[in-house]
Amino acid sequence: DSGVTQTPKHLITATGQRVTLRCSPRSGDLSVYWYQQSLDQGLQFLIQYYNGEERAKGNILERFSAQQFPDLHSELNLSSLELGDSALYFCASSVRTGTNEQFFGPGTRLTVL
Amino acid sequence: AQKVTQAQTEISVVEKEDVTLDCVYETRDTTYYLFWYKQPPSGELVFLIRRNSFDEQNEISGRYSWNFQKSTSSFNFTITASQVVDSAVYFCALSGTNQAGTALIFGKGTTLSVSS
Repeated sequence: DSGVTQTPKHLITATGQRVTLRCSPRSGDLSVYWYQQSLDQGLQFLIQYYNGEERAKGNILERFSAQQFPDLHSELNLSSLELGDSALYFCASSVRTGTNEQFFGPGTRLTVL
Repeated sequence: AQKVTQAQTEISVVEKEDVTLDCVYETRDTTYYLFWYKQPPSGELVFLIRRNSFDEQNEISGRYSWNFQKSTSSFNFTITASQVVDSAVYFCALSGTNQAGTALIFGKGTTLSVSS
């Protein structure tokens, strides 16, 4: 158990819908990262927050957005969902931004029908 | 641009065989970090090791060992006396050290199947 929690574990929804994925980092970790794992794209970095502020952006679609709240939990919002958004979404946390190892949550498996 | 290549897509071995997973990386950073993660069938990503670019010492942890060679931009992972529980997808990853480059860049992964 990495100490990072993600809810829900599974999510099934329809095209065009909007969903919110939630992540709670390990106690004391200030940095949260979101990654998407799909069969065709592999594991891709989406976005990073550090202590409430956006720190870096990767291959995140405009339909996706995220935020980190004062209690350091983070939410990833996915809207206007398409079939191709079906993937495993991971949240990771680290003590601070930079090179510390990132500890991953169990992931949220999103299925868009 | 940063890139990680894991040329071996799938490897199958029999228990007790040694197996080496290859990882080749590309980066223009002079300071960077390399990682290995394990993804068992249950799906979670398990951190195995982090190595910084200034530390080329090989590391051994039980049946696991890592060989970092800057000259060939490689960070290979060897499992000695493999066990069925080692069956998983293994990812090599790279990160930089500047503010914008701290996210992990993953390779495509190597699926290791260990049969009894």
